[in-house]
Amino acid sequence: GAVVSQHPSRVICKSGTSVKIECRSLDFQATTMFWYRQFPKQSLMLMATSNEGSKATYEQGVEKDKFLINHASLTLSTLTVTSAHPEDSSFYICSALGLASSYEQYFGPGTRLTVT
Amino acid sequence: GQNIDQPTEMTATEGAIVQINCTYQTSGFNGLFWYQQHAGEAPTFLSYNVLDGLEEKGRFSSFLSRSKGYSYLLLKELQMKDSASYLCAVVDSNYQLIWGAGTKLIIKP
Repeated sequence: GAVVSQHPSRVICKSGTSVKIECRSLDFQATTMFWYRQFPKQSLMLMATSNEGSKATYEQGVEKDKFLINHASLTLSTLTVTSAHPEDSSFYICSALGLASSYEQYFGPGTRLTVT
Repeated sequence: GQNIDQPTEMTATEGAIVQINCTYQTSGFNGLFWYQQHAGEAPTFLSYNVLDGLEEKGRFSSFLSRSKGYSYLLLKELQMKDSASYLCAVVDSNYQLIWGAGTKLIIKP
Protein backbone atom coordinates (compact mmCIF):
# COMPACT_ATOMS: atom_id res chain seq x y z
CA GLY A 1 0.00 0.00 0.00
CA ALA A 2 0.86 3.72 0.15
CA VAL A 3 1.78 4.26 -3.49
CA VAL A 4 2.48 7.72 -4.83
CA SER A 5 2.68 8.46 -8.52
CA GLN A 6 4.08 11.43 -10.38
CA HIS A 7 3.48 12.58 -13.90
CA PRO A 8 5.32 13.20 -16.12
CA SER A 9 8.47 11.27 -15.26
CA ARG A 10 10.53 13.39 -17.66
CA VAL A 11 9.82 16.69 -19.35
CA ILE A 12 11.84 18.95 -21.59
CA CYS A 13 10.57 22.46 -22.14
CA LYS A 14 11.76 25.70 -23.61
CA SER A 15 12.84 28.62 -21.51
CA GLY A 16 9.91 30.87 -20.65
CA THR A 17 7.23 28.20 -20.76
CA SER A 18 5.35 26.68 -17.82
CA VAL A 19 5.34 23.06 -16.74
CA LYS A 20 2.86 21.27 -14.50
CA ILE A 21 3.81 18.22 -12.46
CA GLU A 22 1.15 16.05 -10.85
CA CYS A 23 1.51 14.04 -7.67
CA ARG A 24 -1.14 11.49 -6.76
CA SER A 25 -1.61 9.20 -3.78
CA LEU A 26 -3.10 6.10 -5.36
CA ASP A 27 -4.39 4.02 -2.49
CA PHE A 28 -4.66 6.41 0.42
CA GLN A 29 -5.77 9.94 1.19
CA ALA A 30 -3.00 12.42 1.82
CA THR A 31 -3.91 15.61 3.62
CA THR A 32 -0.29 16.70 3.48
CA MET A 33 2.08 16.45 0.55
CA PHE A 34 5.60 17.75 0.16
CA TRP A 35 7.51 19.00 -2.84
CA TYR A 36 11.27 18.57 -3.02
CA ARG A 37 13.93 19.56 -5.49
CA GLN A 38 17.18 17.73 -5.87
CA PHE A 39 20.16 18.92 -7.87
CA PRO A 40 22.80 16.41 -9.01
CA LYS A 41 24.86 14.94 -6.18
CA GLN A 42 22.97 16.96 -3.58
CA SER A 43 20.40 16.00 -0.98
CA LEU A 44 16.71 16.68 -1.06
CA MET A 45 15.68 20.30 -0.61
CA LEU A 46 12.18 20.86 0.68
CA MET A 47 10.41 23.47 -1.42
CA ALA A 48 6.98 23.56 0.15
CA THR A 49 4.44 21.74 2.25
CA SER A 50 1.05 21.35 0.64
CA ASN A 51 -2.08 20.87 2.72
CA GLU A 52 -5.36 19.91 1.13
CA GLY A 53 -7.73 22.84 0.86
CA SER A 54 -5.30 25.49 2.03
CA LYS A 55 -2.37 27.49 0.73
CA ALA A 56 0.99 25.82 0.57
CA THR A 57 3.73 26.74 3.01
CA TYR A 58 6.92 27.62 1.17
CA GLU A 59 10.44 27.27 2.48
CA GLN A 60 12.65 30.29 2.71
CA GLY A 61 14.10 31.24 -0.64
CA VAL A 62 11.46 29.47 -2.72
CA GLU A 63 9.43 31.85 -4.86
CA LYS A 64 5.75 31.06 -4.40
CA ASP A 65 4.80 32.99 -7.54
CA LYS A 66 7.18 30.92 -9.60
CA PHE A 67 6.38 27.52 -8.11
CA LEU A 68 2.61 27.34 -7.90
CA ILE A 69 1.25 24.55 -5.75
CA ASN A 70 -2.34 23.40 -5.71
CA HIS A 71 -3.68 20.67 -3.44
CA ALA A 72 -7.33 20.60 -4.40
CA SER A 73 -8.14 17.06 -3.34
CA LEU A 74 -6.96 14.47 -0.85
CA THR A 75 -5.23 12.52 -3.58
CA LEU A 76 -3.76 15.16 -5.89
CA SER A 77 -1.25 17.96 -5.58
CA THR A 78 0.23 19.83 -8.52
CA LEU A 79 3.39 21.88 -8.89
CA THR A 80 3.56 24.35 -11.75
CA VAL A 81 6.91 25.83 -12.64
CA THR A 82 6.06 29.12 -14.30
CA SER A 83 8.31 30.84 -16.82
CA ALA A 84 10.89 28.12 -16.47
CA HIS A 85 14.57 28.89 -16.95
CA PRO A 86 17.56 26.57 -17.41
CA GLU A 87 18.50 26.97 -13.74
CA ASP A 88 15.15 25.36 -12.85
CA SER A 89 16.33 22.13 -14.44
CA SER A 90 16.30 19.62 -11.62
CA PHE A 91 14.77 16.45 -10.22
CA TYR A 92 11.43 17.28 -8.57
CA ILE A 93 10.07 14.76 -6.09
CA CYS A 94 6.78 14.79 -4.24
CA SER A 95 5.90 12.84 -1.15
CA ALA A 96 2.76 12.23 0.82
CA LEU A 97 2.43 11.91 4.54
CA GLY A 98 1.33 8.45 5.55
CA LEU A 99 -1.44 7.29 7.74
CA ALA A 100 -2.41 9.02 10.98
CA SER A 101 0.20 8.69 13.73
CA SER A 102 2.89 7.98 11.16
CA TYR A 103 5.48 10.49 10.07
CA GLU A 104 6.67 8.36 7.20
CA GLN A 105 6.66 10.08 3.85
CA TYR A 106 5.89 8.03 0.78
CA PHE A 107 7.75 9.31 -2.23
CA GLY A 108 6.70 9.55 -5.82
CA PRO A 109 9.18 8.39 -8.47
CA GLY A 110 10.24 11.93 -9.30
CA THR A 111 10.10 14.16 -12.39
CA ARG A 112 13.23 15.09 -14.31
CA LEU A 113 12.77 18.63 -15.68
CA THR A 114 15.12 19.95 -18.33
CA VAL A 115 14.70 23.53 -19.48
CA THR A 116 16.47 24.39 -22.73
CA GLY B 1 19.89 25.92 14.19
CA GLN B 2 19.03 22.41 13.19
CA ASN B 3 21.70 20.16 11.84
CA ILE B 4 22.08 16.60 10.61
CA ASP B 5 25.59 15.27 9.99
CA GLN B 6 26.53 12.19 8.03
CA PRO B 7 29.68 11.26 6.11
CA THR B 8 29.64 12.35 2.51
CA GLU B 9 30.92 9.13 1.05
CA MET B 10 31.93 5.65 2.17
CA THR B 11 33.43 2.68 0.35
CA ALA B 12 33.02 -0.96 1.29
CA THR B 13 33.61 -4.39 -0.18
CA GLU B 14 30.95 -6.79 -1.39
CA GLY B 15 30.05 -9.26 1.35
CA ALA B 16 31.37 -7.04 4.13
CA ILE B 17 29.60 -4.94 6.78
CA VAL B 18 29.37 -1.15 6.81
CA GLN B 19 28.05 1.29 9.41
CA ILE B 20 26.78 4.72 8.36
CA ASN B 21 26.59 7.21 11.21
CA CYS B 22 24.24 10.13 11.67
CA THR B 23 24.36 12.77 14.38
CA TYR B 24 21.70 15.38 14.84
CA GLN B 25 20.90 18.58 16.70
CA THR B 26 17.25 19.48 16.26
CA SER B 27 14.54 21.39 18.07
CA GLY B 28 12.72 18.44 19.50
CA PHE B 29 12.70 14.85 18.34
CA ASN B 30 9.85 12.71 17.09
CA GLY B 31 11.79 9.96 15.41
CA LEU B 32 14.52 9.31 12.89
CA PHE B 33 14.25 7.83 9.41
CA TRP B 34 16.73 6.17 7.13
CA TYR B 35 16.01 6.22 3.42
CA GLN B 36 17.87 4.65 0.51
CA GLN B 37 18.14 6.53 -2.76
CA HIS B 38 19.58 5.12 -5.96
CA ALA B 39 20.86 7.60 -8.51
CA GLY B 40 18.05 9.16 -10.50
CA GLU B 41 15.35 7.62 -8.33
CA ALA B 42 13.23 8.75 -5.41
CA PRO B 43 14.10 7.74 -1.84
CA THR B 44 12.70 4.51 -0.43
CA PHE B 45 11.99 3.86 3.23
CA LEU B 46 14.39 1.69 5.18
CA SER B 47 13.71 2.24 8.87
CA TYR B 48 12.15 4.41 11.54
CA ASN B 49 13.46 4.66 15.13
CA VAL B 50 11.79 6.62 17.87
CA LEU B 51 12.99 4.67 20.93
CA ASP B 52 16.58 3.92 21.92
CA GLY B 53 18.04 0.68 20.74
CA LEU B 54 18.58 -1.47 17.71
CA GLU B 55 15.95 -2.33 15.13
CA GLU B 56 16.86 -5.22 12.86
CA LYS B 57 15.28 -5.84 9.50
CA GLY B 58 17.00 -8.49 7.43
CA ARG B 59 20.44 -7.35 6.31
CA PHE B 60 19.76 -3.81 7.52
CA SER B 61 19.70 -2.63 11.15
CA SER B 62 19.25 0.84 12.59
CA PHE B 63 20.33 2.06 16.01
CA LEU B 64 19.26 5.13 17.96
CA SER B 65 20.58 6.89 21.06
CA ARG B 66 18.44 9.92 21.83
CA SER B 67 20.64 11.10 24.68
CA LYS B 68 23.62 11.24 22.31
CA GLY B 69 21.72 12.55 19.28
CA TYR B 70 23.13 9.65 17.33
CA SER B 71 21.98 6.94 14.98
CA TYR B 72 23.62 4.48 12.68
CA LEU B 73 22.52 2.28 9.82
CA LEU B 74 24.26 -1.08 9.66
CA LEU B 75 24.33 -2.99 6.39
CA LYS B 76 25.48 -6.61 6.44
CA GLU B 77 26.46 -9.00 3.65
CA LEU B 78 26.82 -6.11 1.27
CA GLN B 79 25.66 -6.59 -2.28
CA MET B 80 26.49 -4.51 -5.33
CA LYS B 81 22.88 -3.31 -5.46
CA ASP B 82 23.41 -1.63 -2.08
CA SER B 83 25.45 1.04 -3.84
CA ALA B 84 23.28 4.10 -3.26
CA SER B 85 22.93 7.19 -1.14
CA TYR B 86 21.61 6.75 2.38
CA LEU B 87 19.66 9.63 3.84
CA CYS B 88 19.15 10.27 7.55
CA ALA B 89 16.14 12.42 8.46
CA VAL B 90 14.80 13.56 11.84
CA VAL B 91 11.24 14.57 12.70
CA ASP B 92 11.49 17.72 14.81
CA SER B 93 9.11 19.22 17.35
CA ASN B 94 7.02 20.77 14.55
CA TYR B 95 6.75 17.37 12.91
CA GLN B 96 8.90 18.57 10.02
CA LEU B 97 11.44 16.24 8.46
CA ILE B 98 14.97 17.60 8.69
CA TRP B 99 17.15 15.91 6.09
CA GLY B 100 20.83 15.09 6.18
CA ALA B 101 22.87 15.57 3.03
CA GLY B 102 23.12 11.83 2.52
CA THR B 103 25.99 9.35 2.46
CA LYS B 104 27.02 7.92 -0.88
CA LEU B 105 27.96 4.28 -0.39
CA ILE B 106 30.20 2.69 -3.00
CA ILE B 107 30.45 -1.09 -3.03
CA LYS B 108 33.49 -2.67 -4.67
CA PRO B 109 33.74 -6.30 -5.77
